[in-house]
Amino acid sequence: NAGVMQNPRHLVRRRGQEARLRCSPMKGHSHVYWYRQLPEEGLKFMVYLQKENIIDESGMPKERFSAEFPKEGPSILRIQQVVRGDSAAYFCASPVSRAGGITEAFFGQGTRLTVV
Amino acid sequence: GQQLNQSPQSMFIQEGEDVSMNCTSSSIFNTWLWYKQEPGEGPVLLIALYKAGELTSNGRLTAQFGITRKDSFLNISASIPSDVGIYFCAGHNNAGNMLTFGGGTRLMVKP
Repeated sequence: NAGVMQNPRHLVRRRGQEARLRCSPMKGHSHVYWYRQLPEEGLKFMVYLQKENIIDESGMPKERFSAEFPKEGPSILRIQQVVRGDSAAYFCASPVSRAGGITEAFFGQGTRLTVV
Repeated sequence: GQQLNQSPQSMFIQEGEDVSMNCTSSSIFNTWLWYKQEPGEGPVLLIALYKAGELTSNGRLTAQFGITRKDSFLNISASIPSDVGIYFCAGHNNAGNMLTFGGGTRLMVKP
């Protein structure tokens, strides 16, 4: 997992409950990506965060989803009032950039959310 | 938004065979990345490419950054059963902040 830690690995929620997914990036990294992977599909960008700042949230659903990366502690992806369609694997990643461009990204093992 | 078309979607091959998969885009990318994902795990970076025409190897894996900057391919030589998994291409260009992923190639290897 290249030092990117996500927890929990598996999360079961009933419809209408809240889901909180945590990500600690690689040591010394201050940026994180969050991606969502539906069953049998590729990874879809959700949000790009810097500590205390949202850089790009163009992939986030307009309602019920929010993300933060506080100065201290892990990044949190929060899904309120979950629905069955939220069931997916959620991955965070530590991007590496040089000369203004992203050159690599290292992913965690993911949180598999199941909404029942 | 940007899209990456990855093909084939799946391959079922005999152990020892060589494999080739590719990604194409309508947009130019400055970075191409190839990942492998195994069941229940996150994507693991295999190869990174940064220059048009660049050819890079990692063991039995070889990847190339297309001259037009709109495509990339990954070859696996002499496949073995542990090569089984889903292979994803991903690209980045300086117009955006995210990595764009292809739909994946599911590789199955018969011993």
